[in-house]
Amino acid sequence: EVQLLESGGGLVQPGGSLRLSCAPSGFTFSNYAMTWVRQAPGKGLEWVSIISDNGATTYYADSVKGRFTISRDNSKNTLYLQMNSLRAEDTAVYYCAKDIANWNQGFFDYWGQGTLVTVSS
Amino acid sequence: DIVMTQSPDSLAVSLGERATINCKSSQSVLYSSNNKNYLTWYQQKPGQPPKLLISWASNREYGVPDRFSGSGSGTDFTLTITSLQAEDVAVYYCQQYYSTPYTFGQGTKLEIK
Repeated sequence: EVQLLESGGGLVQPGGSLRLSCAPSGFTFSNYAMTWVRQAPGKGLEWVSIISDNGATTYYADSVKGRFTISRDNSKNTLYLQMNSLRAEDTAVYYCAKDIANWNQGFFDYWGQGTLVTVSS
Repeated sequence: DIVMTQSPDSLAVSLGERATINCKSSQSVLYSSNNKNYLTWYQQKPGQPPKLLISWASNREYGVPDRFSGSGSGTDFTLTITSLQAEDVAVYYCQQYYSTPYTFGQGTKLEIK
């Protein structure tokens, strides 16, 4: 059974940093691209970033480019999202999700339960 | 960026009746090289992550009931739920994966009338 477990969310002050992690199981992590998608409270889905299976290719939404960094450690079976210079508008539930392919196909067949990031003073 | 616009924003349908949700993209998401539409539909129930229902505009994922169907091409797409069931109450999102940034529609909230 495929499972994705996010962690690392919490309350952070504006301008602060946070690193999210996603621990997958039930599939060969190193064979698939992975993504982060966020959802502000009561709002819709917003794609954040994607990384290819080997980490060589990454893409970002304009809203986070230059502030967020997606990475992965295939030896540790873990996906990361380093978030710097956080703003109030980054407050959201952050989902990690599995791409259907090893390259960035761009749609996602399994999702974690999400981790809440709250940016507030 | 490709803007995805869904209509309506909310919809109330009687049990057993048909629900239709529309999705329009600001530019075509049809790749001429393979004649595929790079469009998915997700279902999100309260307190849950999204669930992939349909890919390539009309390909129903394994395990998704056949009352769910997707259609359309180019810029105009439709998700149809025939014979609405109580468990179909959710927010439905379309998403394009034709190009980054991948973008979602604003969502359509489906309720029981």
